[in-house]
Amino acid sequence: EAEVAQSPRYKITEKSQAVAFWCDPISGHATLYWYRQILGQGPELLVQFQDESVVDDSQLPKDRFSAERLKGVDSTLKIQPAELGDSAMYLCASSPDRASGYTFGSGTRLTVV
Amino acid sequence: AQTVTQSQPEMSVQEAETVTLSCTYDTSESDYYLFWYKQPPSRQMILVIRQEAYKQQNATENRFSVNFQKAAKSFSLKISDSQLGDAAMYFCAYRYLYGGATNKLIFGTGTLLAVQP
Repeated sequence: EAEVAQSPRYKITEKSQAVAFWCDPISGHATLYWYRQILGQGPELLVQFQDESVVDDSQLPKDRFSAERLKGVDSTLKIQPAELGDSAMYLCASSPDRASGYTFGSGTRLTVV
Repeated sequence: AQTVTQSQPEMSVQEAETVTLSCTYDTSESDYYLFWYKQPPSRQMILVIRQEAYKQQNATENRFSVNFQKAAKSFSLKISDSQLGDAAMYFCAYRYLYGGATNKLIFGTGTLLAVQP
């Protein structure tokens, strides 16, 4: 069964350092999402891509977060500089169309110390 | 704005018994989808069941079924014959069918289900 690949699985970084996460969606899925899930809460959308274009980044803290999806395939989410409050699970998901549910990756657990 | 509310932070069920998880949502739209996702301790979110708002018939997937009450904006999940592997965090989610380019899933805060042997 096709999967959404994410790496790394875990990341520990010091405050003010840069950190990056990678996601490879299911082949053919035009829509890619990055969600942040704080412990004990539901996921919240950070950014949505349709192919290589950003269609929703209204909740992305643009002063420190950036996301790209060059060539409309895999994607990278970057935080620079990381803050203690960024500690969370970062989930990537993809979807073939708006009528379907998402397929999620295993996520990246970020701890900022 | 659309919101999803799960009022049960934690639930517990005995193995082989039935449990119902509650979810309510708020929207002014008429065409949308509702989902239940399961997030086991291994963390990967898995789609459990999906309901189209235009369908009156409640969705069923093996031991999982929903009670969809559109007028009441209620969408509960029933798990029959509970198994130890059902222990997980369960999230209710809403997705507007149209809405231009963005059609994100909006999640509730989750219900942590424990299954007692």
